[in-house]
Amino acid sequence: AQKITQTQPGMFVQEKEAVTLDCTYDTSDQSYGLFWYKQPSSGEMIFLIYQGSYDEQNATEGRYSLNFQKARKSANLVISASQLGDSAMYFCAMRFLFGNEKLTFGTGTRLTIIP
Amino acid sequence: ETGVTQTPRHLVMGMTNKKSLKCEQHLGHNAMYWYKQSAKKPLELMFVYSLEERVENNSVPSRFSPECPNSSHLFLHLHTLQPEDSALYLCASSQDGRAFATDTQYFGPGTRLTVL
Repeated sequence: AQKITQTQPGMFVQEKEAVTLDCTYDTSDQSYGLFWYKQPSSGEMIFLIYQGSYDEQNATEGRYSLNFQKARKSANLVISASQLGDSAMYFCAMRFLFGNEKLTFGTGTRLTIIP
Repeated sequence: ETGVTQTPRHLVMGMTNKKSLKCEQHLGHNAMYWYKQSAKKPLELMFVYSLEERVENNSVPSRFSPECPNSSHLFLHLHTLQPEDSALYLCASSQDGRAFATDTQYFGPGTRLTVL
């Protein structure tokens, strides 16, 4: 079984500062993928970034980067130069590499950017 | 239309009503999903369809009935719901659900359901 843990229910960050959202996972499988999604108050889940368990480099997408530490089973999301529009719920999710469609989500972190 | 669309965006229904949620994806994907998002709980996967065949049903009550007539459309038929079924229902699609972990799921805006 796989489990995702997000220990920060809420965070407040000053605009233009960088922020790190924590995510740890528990799996005995060696082959898996990790995802981060953003959910604004409108409800839509927006895909942000993906990291494969065999990827040697940390994933980056614009202002988003993923600090992947496989031995510690952590996949923290880093948002650089935060903006007011970054205020939202952020979810970490995981799925096995082959043959299983299930995407397991964490409970999320509510990020609020302060002007 | 682009991406994944869902209608209606908001729905209020009584426990004896029958209603349907609709999802349409414009991404050329082969897999579609229904999720339930309740307050303070992780997203729960309800149903998965890959190439119009249901491949997973996570022990969802029979008052929820999915239908996937083709790879672009997905419905969730609702009948005799309970107040605890009130939640945000999210639809998602991906290129090929059975294949690889890189198969990213793209979500619609959701239907906010309230059962009275």
